[in-house]
Amino acid sequence: QQQVKQSPQSLIVQKGGISIINCAYENTAFDYFPWYQQFPGKGPALLIAIRPDVSEKKEGRFTISFNKSAKQFSLHIMDSQPGDSATYFCAASRTGGGNKLTFGTGTQLKVEL
Amino acid sequence: SAVISQKPSRDICQRGTSLTIQCQVDSQVTMMFWYRQQPGQSLTLIATANQGSEATYESGFVIDKFPISRPNLTFSTLTVSNMSPEDSSIYLCSVKSSYNEQFFGPGTRLTVL
Repeated sequence: QQQVKQSPQSLIVQKGGISIINCAYENTAFDYFPWYQQFPGKGPALLIAIRPDVSEKKEGRFTISFNKSAKQFSLHIMDSQPGDSATYFCAASRTGGGNKLTFGTGTQLKVEL
Repeated sequence: SAVISQKPSRDICQRGTSLTIQCQVDSQVTMMFWYRQQPGQSLTLIATANQGSEATYESGFVIDKFPISRPNLTFSTLTVSNMSPEDSSIYLCSVKSSYNEQFFGPGTRLTVL
């Protein structure tokens, strides 16, 4: 019930392309879905987050798409750049559960020139 | 977002010893969390630390192994006790903002020999 499944495990995209990372959850009580970006040797940084009352949220080149009925959400990185090369984690939490984050397994993104 | 610092940033320890990790936040926060990130893996919640009450531990983590202090609203410590090589990980603290976002510190990289 608490799992968040993330795919793919790794992703290689050409510069200027679109990177897409998918997550699926089981617990319908989850009501907050953030994405984190982590560079080697650094802590995870909050990138963008969505709540289930909207189906899409965009911030610059980063977009979250949310499908409540399918219990899936995805991160789209438009015009991917080499500086976007990092590990991305999706996560989920529920307000009544102490806001504890359950993380996906992570996706290593490499953007090639 | 909150500015979070951790000390030490990294350490190499001998098995059987203990290490105390400090987490300092630049603003008062109600909820602080401690996570473990094993090499190449995702983040796992160890415990939630609220000021003025006992920490709440997740399944698989116990107070004797990971004692936590939360003396005020800007500071917390996590001790990794009686260490073994299996404790080699990155230990991360995070804080919850008033908007329910979670921000992470830079992490403490622990190697146990």
